Amino acid sequence: AQSVTQLDSHVSVSEGTPVLLRCNYSSSYSPSLFWYVQHPNKGLQLLLKYTSAATLVKGINGFEAEFKKSETSFHLTKPSAHMSDAAEYFCVVPDDMRFGAGTRLTVKP
Amino acid sequence: GAGVSQSPSNKVTEKGKDVELRCDPISGHTALYWYRQSLGQGLEFLIYFQGNSAPDKSGLPSDRFSAERTGGSVSTLTIQRTQQEDSAVYLCASSLVASGGLNTGELFFGEGSRLTVL
Repeated sequence: AQSVTQLDSHVSVSEGTPVLLRCNYSSSYSPSLFWYVQHPNKGLQLLLKYTSAATLVKGINGFEAEFKKSETSFHLTKPSAHMSDAAEYFCVVPDDMRFGAGTRLTVKP
Repeated sequence: GAGVSQSPSNKVTEKGKDVELRCDPISGHTALYWYRQSLGQGLEFLIYFQGNSAPDKSGLPSDRFSAERTGGSVSTLTIQRTQQEDSAVYLCASSLVASGGLNTGELFFGEGSRLTVL
Protein backbone atom coordinates (compact mmCIF):
# COMPACT_ATOMS: atom_id res chain seq x y z
CA ALA A 1 0.00 0.00 0.00
CA GLN A 2 1.15 3.51 -0.68
CA SER A 3 1.21 6.24 1.89
CA VAL A 4 2.55 9.71 2.39
CA THR A 5 4.21 11.37 5.34
CA GLN A 6 4.13 15.09 5.81
CA LEU A 7 7.11 15.79 7.97
CA ASP A 8 5.95 19.05 9.55
CA SER A 9 2.57 19.63 11.13
CA HIS A 10 3.16 23.38 11.25
CA VAL A 11 5.48 25.69 9.31
CA SER A 12 5.82 29.38 10.06
CA VAL A 13 7.58 31.79 7.70
CA SER A 14 7.84 35.53 7.30
CA GLU A 15 6.23 37.21 4.34
CA GLY A 16 8.65 37.37 1.43
CA THR A 17 10.76 34.41 2.57
CA PRO A 18 10.85 30.96 0.93
CA VAL A 19 8.37 28.23 1.76
CA LEU A 20 9.24 24.53 2.04
CA LEU A 21 6.57 21.97 2.90
CA ARG A 22 7.88 18.42 2.99
CA CYS A 23 6.20 15.25 1.78
CA ASN A 24 7.70 11.78 1.54
CA TYR A 25 5.96 8.82 -0.01
CA SER A 26 6.46 5.12 0.35
CA SER A 27 5.95 3.06 -2.73
CA SER A 28 7.61 0.34 -4.69
CA TYR A 29 6.95 2.22 -7.91
CA SER A 30 6.65 5.80 -9.05
CA PRO A 31 3.25 7.01 -8.00
CA SER A 32 1.19 9.96 -8.97
CA LEU A 33 1.25 12.65 -6.29
CA PHE A 34 -0.90 15.66 -5.62
CA TRP A 35 -0.77 18.69 -3.35
CA TYR A 36 -4.05 20.21 -2.18
CA VAL A 37 -4.59 23.48 -0.32
CA GLN A 38 -7.38 24.31 2.11
CA HIS A 39 -7.82 27.93 3.09
CA PRO A 40 -9.63 28.67 6.36
CA ASN A 41 -13.30 27.75 6.15
CA LYS A 42 -12.95 26.86 2.48
CA GLY A 43 -12.99 23.66 0.47
CA LEU A 44 -9.95 21.80 -0.79
CA GLN A 45 -8.39 22.92 -4.03
CA LEU A 46 -5.85 21.15 -6.20
CA LEU A 47 -2.55 23.01 -6.09
CA LEU A 48 -0.51 20.83 -8.43
CA LYS A 49 -0.01 17.25 -9.50
CA TYR A 50 2.77 14.94 -10.62
CA THR A 51 1.88 12.17 -13.05
CA SER A 52 5.36 11.22 -14.33
CA ALA A 53 5.38 13.64 -17.25
CA ALA A 54 7.95 15.97 -15.68
CA THR A 55 9.68 15.85 -12.32
CA LEU A 56 9.34 19.59 -11.68
CA VAL A 57 5.72 20.55 -11.50
CA LYS A 58 4.38 24.09 -11.40
CA GLY A 59 1.09 24.83 -9.74
CA ILE A 60 -1.13 27.74 -8.95
CA ASN A 61 -0.16 30.76 -6.87
CA GLY A 62 3.55 30.40 -7.62
CA PHE A 63 3.97 27.02 -5.93
CA GLU A 64 6.01 24.21 -7.41
CA ALA A 65 7.10 20.73 -6.38
CA GLU A 66 9.88 18.44 -7.48
CA PHE A 67 9.48 14.68 -7.62
CA LYS A 68 12.68 12.99 -6.45
CA LYS A 69 12.52 9.22 -6.77
CA SER A 70 15.89 8.69 -5.11
CA GLU A 71 14.62 10.49 -2.02
CA THR A 72 10.97 9.36 -2.36
CA SER A 73 10.03 12.99 -1.86
CA PHE A 74 7.64 15.50 -3.38
CA HIS A 75 8.31 18.69 -1.44
CA LEU A 76 6.28 21.83 -2.09
CA THR A 77 8.12 25.11 -2.45
CA LYS A 78 7.52 28.76 -3.16
CA PRO A 79 10.27 31.37 -3.48
CA SER A 80 8.46 34.13 -1.63
CA ALA A 81 5.58 33.67 0.78
CA HIS A 82 2.55 35.90 0.71
CA MET A 83 0.06 36.46 3.50
CA SER A 84 -2.63 34.82 1.38
CA ASP A 85 -0.64 31.56 1.37
CA ALA A 86 -1.61 30.90 4.99
CA ALA A 87 -3.58 27.65 4.78
CA GLU A 88 -3.48 23.92 5.36
CA TYR A 89 -1.59 21.92 2.75
CA PHE A 90 -2.09 18.23 2.06
CA CYS A 91 0.01 15.76 0.11
CA VAL A 92 -1.81 12.76 -1.34
CA VAL A 93 -1.15 9.67 -3.42
CA PRO A 94 -4.20 9.46 -5.68
CA ASP A 95 -4.01 5.71 -6.18
CA ASP A 96 -5.22 5.11 -2.65
CA MET A 97 -6.50 8.61 -1.85
CA ARG A 98 -5.11 8.61 1.66
CA PHE A 99 -4.13 12.14 2.57
CA GLY A 100 -1.13 13.15 4.60
CA ALA A 101 -1.79 14.64 8.03
CA GLY A 102 -1.46 18.11 6.60
CA THR A 103 0.90 21.00 7.19
CA ARG A 104 -0.44 24.27 8.49
CA LEU A 105 1.42 27.20 6.96
CA THR A 106 1.48 30.44 8.91
CA VAL A 107 2.83 33.60 7.26
CA LYS A 108 3.98 36.38 9.55
CA PRO A 109 3.98 39.99 8.38
CA GLY B 1 -24.57 20.29 -11.29
CA ALA B 2 -21.25 21.94 -11.89
CA GLY B 3 -19.58 20.66 -8.74
CA VAL B 4 -19.90 18.22 -5.88
CA SER B 5 -22.94 19.06 -3.80
CA GLN B 6 -23.33 18.09 -0.15
CA SER B 7 -26.28 18.47 2.17
CA PRO B 8 -26.97 19.54 4.77
CA SER B 9 -24.21 22.10 5.09
CA ASN B 10 -24.74 22.15 8.84
CA LYS B 11 -26.37 19.60 11.12
CA VAL B 12 -26.79 19.82 14.86
CA THR B 13 -28.08 16.70 16.54
CA GLU B 14 -28.41 15.19 19.96
CA LYS B 15 -26.25 12.34 21.13
CA GLY B 16 -27.81 9.01 20.26
CA LYS B 17 -29.70 10.23 17.21
CA ASP B 18 -29.07 8.94 13.68
CA VAL B 19 -27.96 11.31 10.92
CA GLU B 20 -27.76 11.05 7.15
CA LEU B 21 -25.41 13.11 5.03
CA ARG B 22 -25.86 13.32 1.31
CA CYS B 23 -23.37 13.73 -1.53
CA ASP B 24 -24.20 14.40 -5.15
CA PRO B 25 -21.01 13.93 -7.20
CA ILE B 26 -20.09 15.52 -10.50
CA SER B 27 -22.00 13.88 -13.33
CA GLY B 28 -19.95 11.12 -14.96
CA HIS B 29 -17.48 10.72 -12.10
CA THR B 30 -17.26 7.05 -11.25
CA ALA B 31 -15.26 7.37 -8.05
CA LEU B 32 -16.71 8.82 -4.83
CA TYR B 33 -14.98 9.29 -1.50
CA TRP B 34 -16.02 10.25 2.00
CA TYR B 35 -13.58 11.86 4.41
CA ARG B 36 -13.87 13.20 7.92
CA GLN B 37 -12.03 16.29 9.12
CA SER B 38 -12.09 16.98 12.81
CA LEU B 39 -11.20 20.41 14.20
CA GLY B 40 -7.56 21.14 13.43
CA GLN B 41 -7.00 17.66 12.04
CA GLY B 42 -6.17 16.25 8.64
CA LEU B 43 -8.47 14.33 6.35
CA GLU B 44 -9.42 10.90 7.60
CA PHE B 45 -10.42 8.53 4.80
CA LEU B 46 -13.73 6.80 5.47
CA ILE B 47 -14.98 4.97 2.39
CA TYR B 48 -14.45 4.77 -1.38
CA PHE B 49 -16.88 3.78 -4.12
CA GLN B 50 -15.69 2.94 -7.63
CA GLY B 51 -18.28 2.04 -10.24
CA ASN B 52 -19.97 -1.27 -9.51
CA SER B 53 -17.08 -2.64 -7.46
CA ALA B 54 -17.45 -3.44 -3.79
CA PRO B 55 -16.70 -0.29 -1.79
CA ASP B 56 -13.51 0.09 0.20
CA LYS B 57 -14.86 0.47 3.73
CA SER B 58 -11.52 0.16 5.45
CA GLY B 59 -11.65 3.66 6.89
CA LEU B 60 -15.01 3.49 8.63
CA PRO B 61 -14.27 4.01 12.35
CA SER B 62 -17.04 1.79 13.73
CA ASP B 63 -20.10 -0.20 12.74
CA ARG B 64 -22.21 2.85 13.52
CA PHE B 65 -20.98 4.28 10.24
CA SER B 66 -22.28 3.09 6.88
CA ALA B 67 -22.58 4.45 3.39
CA GLU B 68 -24.29 3.55 0.20
CA ARG B 69 -24.24 4.79 -3.33
CA THR B 70 -27.38 4.32 -5.33
CA GLY B 71 -27.31 4.01 -9.08
CA GLY B 72 -23.64 4.86 -9.17
CA SER B 73 -24.38 8.49 -8.40
CA VAL B 74 -25.72 9.95 -5.16
CA SER B 75 -24.21 8.68 -1.92
CA THR B 76 -25.52 8.77 1.63
CA LEU B 77 -23.32 8.49 4.70
CA THR B 78 -25.28 7.33 7.75
CA ILE B 79 -24.11 7.62 11.33
CA GLN B 80 -26.20 5.73 13.82
CA ARG B 81 -26.42 6.54 17.53
CA THR B 82 -24.21 9.59 17.16
CA GLN B 83 -21.57 10.34 19.76
CA GLN B 84 -19.91 13.66 20.58
CA GLU B 85 -16.66 12.44 19.03
CA ASP B 86 -18.49 12.17 15.69
CA SER B 87 -18.58 15.97 15.53
CA ALA B 88 -16.57 16.96 12.46
CA VAL B 89 -16.82 18.17 8.90
CA TYR B 90 -17.68 15.32 6.55
CA LEU B 91 -16.26 15.88 3.09
CA CYS B 92 -17.27 14.15 -0.09
CA ALA B 93 -15.19 14.08 -3.25
CA SER B 94 -15.53 12.58 -6.70
CA SER B 95 -13.17 11.90 -9.56
CA LEU B 96 -12.77 10.18 -12.88
CA VAL B 97 -10.85 6.95 -12.83
CA ALA B 98 -8.35 6.10 -15.53
CA SER B 99 -8.45 2.85 -17.40
CA GLY B 100 -6.96 -0.01 -15.44
CA GLY B 101 -8.61 1.21 -12.27
CA LEU B 102 -5.80 3.45 -11.11
CA ASN B 103 -7.03 6.79 -9.95
CA THR B 104 -4.72 9.46 -11.27
CA GLY B 105 -7.36 12.09 -11.64
CA GLU B 106 -8.09 15.17 -9.61
CA LEU B 107 -10.41 14.88 -6.64
CA PHE B 108 -13.17 17.45 -6.64
CA PHE B 109 -14.44 18.24 -3.18
CA GLY B 110 -17.76 19.45 -1.92
CA GLU B 111 -18.03 22.17 0.69
CA GLY B 112 -18.66 19.59 3.39
CA SER B 113 -21.32 18.88 5.97
CA ARG B 114 -20.51 20.18 9.44
CA LEU B 115 -21.93 17.83 12.06
CA THR B 116 -22.24 18.89 15.67
CA VAL B 117 -23.34 16.31 18.22
CA LEU B 118 -24.52 17.83 21.48
